[in-house]
Parts: sequence; C-alpha cells; structure tokens
Amino acid sequence: NAGVMQNPRHLVRRRGQEARLRCSPMKGHSHVYWYRQLPEEGLKFMVYLQKENIIDESGMPKERFSAEFPKEGPSILRIQQVVRGDSAAYFCASSPPGWGGYEQYFGPGTRLTVT
Amino acid sequence: GQQVMQIPQYQHVQEGEDFTTYCNSSTTLSNIQWYKQRPGGHPVFLIQLVKSGEVKKQKRLTFQFGEAKKNSSLHITATQTTDVGTYFCAVIGYSTLTFGKGTMLLVSP
Repeated sequence: NAGVMQNPRHLVRRRGQEARLRCSPMKGHSHVYWYRQLPEEGLKFMVYLQKENIIDESGMPKERFSAEFPKEGPSILRIQQVVRGDSAAYFCASSPPGWGGYEQYFGPGTRLTVT
Repeated sequence: GQQVMQIPQYQHVQEGEDFTTYCNSSTTLSNIQWYKQRPGGHPVFLIQLVKSGEVKKQKRLTFQFGEAKKNSSLHITATQTTDVGTYFCAVIGYSTLTFGKGTMLLVSP
C-alpha cells in the first residue's frame, strides 16, 4: 500500500519561473492538504482540497499560488513567478473520507529552491 | 484559528537523559496530535489525545493531555540517538491542523 507520493523531491527554479508540485494521496484517501515549511519553522497550512473542490484555502497567499485536485490525476500546487521567499519544503498530506480529526499521512515533501 | 505555543524550541541532551516538550494553548482544545519529523524527513503521526487528563504511552514516550485541555506534553525516558528530530504538536480545527513551531531534539551519544 503505497503512501503519499510527491514529486519532484527537489526542484530548483530561477526567479520568475513557475513551479509545479504534484501530490498523489494514499489509496482510498480523498482529502488532500498542502503545507509549507520554512527552514527551522513549523508547518503552515496552505490549502485543503477534495476531488474537484477547494474546501479551505485560507492559508494560501492571495497571488501567484493556486492548487487543484482534479477528478483524475494528482493534486497540483502551482507557484507562478517564483521569488526567493518561496524557497521552502512543501508537504502534502492526505486523509480518508469523513476525516474527523484522525491522523494525516504526509508525503516526503518537495524541497523548492529559488535561485 | 487556534494557536499553540511549544517549548522549548530546542534541546540537546546526552543519550540516556530524559526529555520533555510542552504544548500550551490559551483556549480549550478539542484534541491534540503529536508528530515527529526526522532531519530531512516528513512529519509522522505519533498519537492523538482527546480526553481531559488523558495519558498514553508508547514504549519510552509518554503523552499527556492537561485536565483543562489547554496543554499537553510529550516525555521521552532515557533518550536514544534514534529519538533525534523535531516534535510537533498540532491542534485540529474545522478542516485542518495548526502546528506548533516544534521542539528540536538533539541527542549526543
């Protein structure tokens, strides 16, 4: 039973380029969460999605960031026109339907470096 | 949203010493979770506490939820080098988890 998968594991982008981060939840999980972790910091919630729906995007920056979870395929976190401050680890987590506060399963993360 | 403060931010112990990290909130929490993140790794769920005064043990780890459900602690007895990592508490909101900033534990052999 594969866990949460994220790719790429490491991504280097120049300022102004676009970054696309992918997340495939665990089998049977329909809820996906994205978190950002700056060096030596905790995890900050960004967005919560279910298939084809954004449920809570209160943690997403208003500009340049977007997320989707299509009917088919992985969830995508997209960062347009990246800046140095976007350098961070981005973690995806998933949980089963009807999540009532049980554990979230985290993927290995994508380490984004903006040069 | 709910906020949690975690202390200490950092602790360095000798192998065999005990370690405790604390998570405090100004508001009553419905429940609390604890995660461990190894250096370069991803958060891994350890436990969830729900009841007032609850105490749970996992081998050398003891988790407590305060009577008023405003604080929680994680205690590790006789640390080992494999305990190295950052320990986070997290509180459950409507649709997400809010994490504390974590306590980084270093264990010297």
